[in-house]
Amino acid sequence: DTGVSQDPRHKITKRGQNVTFRCDPISEHNRLYWYRQTLGQGPEFLTYFQNEAQLEKSRLLSDRFSAERPKGSFSTLEIQRTEQGDSAMYLCASTRQRTGNTGELFFGEGSRLTVL
Amino acid sequence: EDKVVQSPLSLVVHEGDTVTLNCSYEVTNFRSLLWYKQEKKAPTFLFMLTSSGIEKKSGRLSSILDKKELSSILNITATQTGDSAIYLCAVEANAGGTSYGKLTFGQGTILTVHP
Repeated sequence: DTGVSQDPRHKITKRGQNVTFRCDPISEHNRLYWYRQTLGQGPEFLTYFQNEAQLEKSRLLSDRFSAERPKGSFSTLEIQRTEQGDSAMYLCASTRQRTGNTGELFFGEGSRLTVL
Repeated sequence: EDKVVQSPLSLVVHEGDTVTLNCSYEVTNFRSLLWYKQEKKAPTFLFMLTSSGIEKKSGRLSSILDKKELSSILNITATQTGDSAIYLCAVEANAGGTSYGKLTFGQGTILTVHP
């Protein structure tokens, strides 16, 4: 399968614990995005990488959240000291930089976080 | 702040019906409007619209953008049960003359097609 893959698909944790999600984008894609989706809402932008550089972070991304893409390939999203409000689906997407419009983002199937 | 509103929030139809989903937006420096279909988990791309009045079509699905009215519609003709999904509308804004894929999504329209 050559799509965007995310791991784990589902994580249940207790409040206060740290969690880490991994995203493997499509191999030739240099742009990688994290979005968060809660029930009944559309995805919300969290952060964006071009290669290994994190170029924008949403104000939704509090200091408990950190994302990395150390070698410009896979990315991790870590949430420290989880809160119940962090419960959501965390979606990763990737695309290849092109001139003009960005166009289609390819989404992974998401990592669902449940904080008890 | 960029904003996207979709209507209706949910829609129940029978196979063979035609549906129209609406999307209105407020965005500074509009670049494009995109439609995605979300069945189980991953949103999948349907259309990207940049020019007003030009219809994009793929099989039974079509979409058109009205930049004057800041809106778009997605039409699905002869609906099938496999069309049941959440349909998401998103807008992309220019960012310093470049585009980098930061999308603002609406809350989605849940379409249910009964046999």
